[in-house]
Amino acid sequence: NAGVTQTPKFQVLKTGQSMTLQCAQDMNHNSMYWYRQDPGMGLRLIYYSASEGTTDKGEVPNGYNVSRLNKREFSLRLESAAPSQTSVYFCASRMDRDRNGYTFGSGTRLTVV
Amino acid sequence: GENVEQHPSTLSVQEGDSAVIKCTYSDSASNYFPWYKQELGKRPQLIIDIRSNVGEKKDQRIAVTLNKTAKHFSLHITETQPEDSAVYFCASPNGSSNTGKLIFGQGTTLQVKP
Repeated sequence: NAGVTQTPKFQVLKTGQSMTLQCAQDMNHNSMYWYRQDPGMGLRLIYYSASEGTTDKGEVPNGYNVSRLNKREFSLRLESAAPSQTSVYFCASRMDRDRNGYTFGSGTRLTVV
Repeated sequence: GENVEQHPSTLSVQEGDSAVIKCTYSDSASNYFPWYKQELGKRPQLIIDIRSNVGEKKDQRIAVTLNKTAKHFSLHITETQPEDSAVYFCASPNGSSNTGKLIFGQGTTLQVKP
């Protein structure tokens, strides 16, 4: 039982390049989330997926797209990376309906130069 | 939408002292308030949470209190130890709690001096 697995752990991109961050969970959770973490700003929601086949925007969706490939996997894509997207990205999934706590992945540290 | 403010941004205490971190929220319909601990370079981890039908919850040295009237909730750590040093985040649901979306506070860096 690996929990929430994110890849890659580190990435450096040039401005304008594209990439996909991968996230998979093996806990049979319905809901999955992508957050970004910047110094002094806490964690901000980019996109989420309340169930397989659905996705919705969060607080800061501009410049990103997501795909809920199946119940286990939720990927985040940067089509044309910008320096403002330099951040640490966390994927999370949620426990059952009666408990709203998240399980986070280990994060992806992305630098756009 | 929901807004969560967290204070202080940094907190330094001596080992054995207590630490208190406070958060305020704006949506009176919010009904779930988790706290996460993030050690340096690690992922955030849920340490305690409280629902709006109770005023206080304890788990060993940590406790959370909720004041629904004033719309604030606090994390209390007693008998602090060096391993309590970390960044702590509060959170509150954003919109319908069924979506699981959370709005996080800005974080508090707690330093426990041995």
